[in-house]
Amino acid sequence: EVHLVESGGGLVQPGGSLRLSCAASGFTFSNFAMSWVRQAPGKGLEWVSGITSSGDDTNYADSVTGRFTISRDNAKNTVFLQMSSLRAEDTARYYCVKDGHCNGGTCYFDYWGQGILVTVSS
Amino acid sequence: QSVLTQPPSVSGAPGQRVTISCTGSSSNVGANYDVHWYQQLPGTAPKLLIYNNNNRPSGVPDRFSASKSGTSASLAITELQAEDEADYYCQSYDSSLSNSVFGGGTKLTVL
Repeated sequence: EVHLVESGGGLVQPGGSLRLSCAASGFTFSNFAMSWVRQAPGKGLEWVSGITSSGDDTNYADSVTGRFTISRDNAKNTVFLQMSSLRAEDTARYYCVKDGHCNGGTCYFDYWGQGILVTVSS
Repeated sequence: QSVLTQPPSVSGAPGQRVTISCTGSSSNVGANYDVHWYQQLPGTAPKLLIYNNNNRPSGVPDRFSASKSGTSASLAITELQAEDEADYYCQSYDSSLSNSVFGGGTKLTVL
């Protein structure tokens, strides 16, 4: 059974940094791309960042480019999201998601973690 | 404002059929990128409902179906049940943004 468990969230001041981790199990981690999707309180879903199975390629939403960095450790079945220069508008629940099989650029997200709350406030 | 447009809410009585639309443009749905759908029950993480336009993952009832045509896609739910009350999101890829994109979400109320 696939499990994705996020950690590292919490309260941080504007301008601060936070590193999210996602421990994966139940599948061959190194074979699949991974992504982070966030959901602000009472709002919809927003794709944040993705990383290929090897970690060689990464992609970011315009809203976080230059501030967030996604990485992975295939030996430890873990994906990370380093967040810096945090803003109030980054306040959200952050979901770690496993990419399913991608078709010409479109990847679906077949498994989701329970999410971790990040609150940016002074 | 979301790249993919969904109605904010839809409703239906138990046993009825409802549809949720997802309207995109020539850089996403209209560019023949696949559309996927997710169900988010209250207080829980989203769950994959439909992938690659019209495929159901194992365990998803056949009351859920979807289609795509031109720059739009739609999700249909037949034999509506109280447990279907949730938020539904469509998702695709946008070539202008080079990103995955979601619709704004549709809240389904079962009357």
